[in-house]
Amino acid sequence: GQQVMQIPQYQHVQEGEDFTTYCNSSTTLSNIQWYKQRPGGHPVFLIQLVKSGEVKKQKRLTFQFGEAKKNSSLHITATQTTDVGTYFCAWGYTGKLIFGQGTTLQVKP
Amino acid sequence: DSGVTQTPKHLITATGQRVTLRCSPRSGDLSVYWYQQSLDQGLQFLIQYYNGEERAKGNILERFSAQQFPDLHSELNLSSLELGDSALYFCASSDGGQTGNTIYFGEGSWLTVV
Repeated sequence: GQQVMQIPQYQHVQEGEDFTTYCNSSTTLSNIQWYKQRPGGHPVFLIQLVKSGEVKKQKRLTFQFGEAKKNSSLHITATQTTDVGTYFCAWGYTGKLIFGQGTTLQVKP
Repeated sequence: DSGVTQTPKHLITATGQRVTLRCSPRSGDLSVYWYQQSLDQGLQFLIQYYNGEERAKGNILERFSAQQFPDLHSELNLSSLELGDSALYFCASSDGGQTGNTIYFGEGSWLTVV
């Protein structure tokens, strides 16, 4: 069956450092979405990637979809305390939208 | 504000009891999803409805059931509650029924079983 791993599970960074979270799949994904959940909040959609090798940017956030559409990453440049939260990748599988385990980012000011 | 409304926000109940969680999707959205979030299990997909019909089912326990009504609101019924059912239950909605659609989450219903 399909297996998707999201790593790392936790990341602590100093404010101003970069941060990256990865989702790696054992099978090809048709598309991948990224969500952010602030502490005490609900997941909020960030972006969807569909094309092989696609790269999208939102200010300090860069999202990539691998050439084989088996992996994706979210990179944050120069983290700020407002970036704190859990970042989830999500993908469609047998008609269901499945979420990765998430990467929880903590930023030390 | 995502436009998805969930009630109640918090609920404390005893083991063995039954509760109903309610969700109103965003205006115009036909799909409703239910997810369970606990500390050690992440976001677990429970079930999806599209325009009143069940569209996809996850690892939803037999003690749990859901439905979507003609006005498109949805209810998640949890019965014979156990301590392990304590979690944050999210409802989400989207305009379409495909997994490529963006889904919008409500603020969740915190369920504590004591």
